[in-house]
Amino acid sequence: ETGVTQSPTHLIKTRGQQVTLRCSSQSGHNTVSWYQQALGQGPQFIFQYYREEENGRGNFPPRFSGLQFPNYSSELNVNALELDDSALYLCASSLGGVGPQHFGDGTRLSIL
Amino acid sequence: RKEVEQDPGPFNVPEGATVAFNCTYSNSASQSFFWYRQDCRKEPKLLMSVYSSGNEDGRFTAQLNRASQYISLLIRDSKLSDSATYLCVVNDLGAGSYQLTFGKGTKLSVIP
Repeated sequence: ETGVTQSPTHLIKTRGQQVTLRCSSQSGHNTVSWYQQALGQGPQFIFQYYREEENGRGNFPPRFSGLQFPNYSSELNVNALELDDSALYLCASSLGGVGPQHFGDGTRLSIL
Repeated sequence: RKEVEQDPGPFNVPEGATVAFNCTYSNSASQSFFWYRQDCRKEPKLLMSVYSSGNEDGRFTAQLNRASQYISLLIRDSKLSDSATYLCVVNDLGAGSYQLTFGKGTKLSVIP
């Protein structure tokens, strides 16, 4: 069984740039959720993808967008990066939404 | 706003001690409940699901009280390897999707 994998591991960007983060879901899982975790905080829900469509969104602006592909992998795109976007970005997959979600190692994004 | 509140910690306990974590949640319609553990600069990992009937996994016991909207985790015979941040997590049905809401976490340090 292949777990959730994310890339890249670390990324450094400057304000105003755009970034794309990638996630491959655990085999057998059809739902992908993205979270942002700032230092000292719990993860905050960004959005969820199911059947290649956004299936729920947290309190994040439209410059946070995503995609899900037919193989259930997913991308998180962030435009017009701000300093406060510096965080650990976590992808989690699940079979449907109600069960436990399993997380990837995360991408640590630093904005200079 | 849906919230999950945890003991702020940190908890510093000697090896072999029993330690209890508590958590309350605000959304009475929450669907499912979990404890995750997160090591420093790592992703959250599912520790156990939590059920109203209570459930045990080795040294770990979790309990849910839906009437009081209260979740607990008991760790017996603490090991050095139990040192981590423990996240109380609630799965809520939001606008069209299930969304995990995390507490800020409680840090546990088990001391030799």
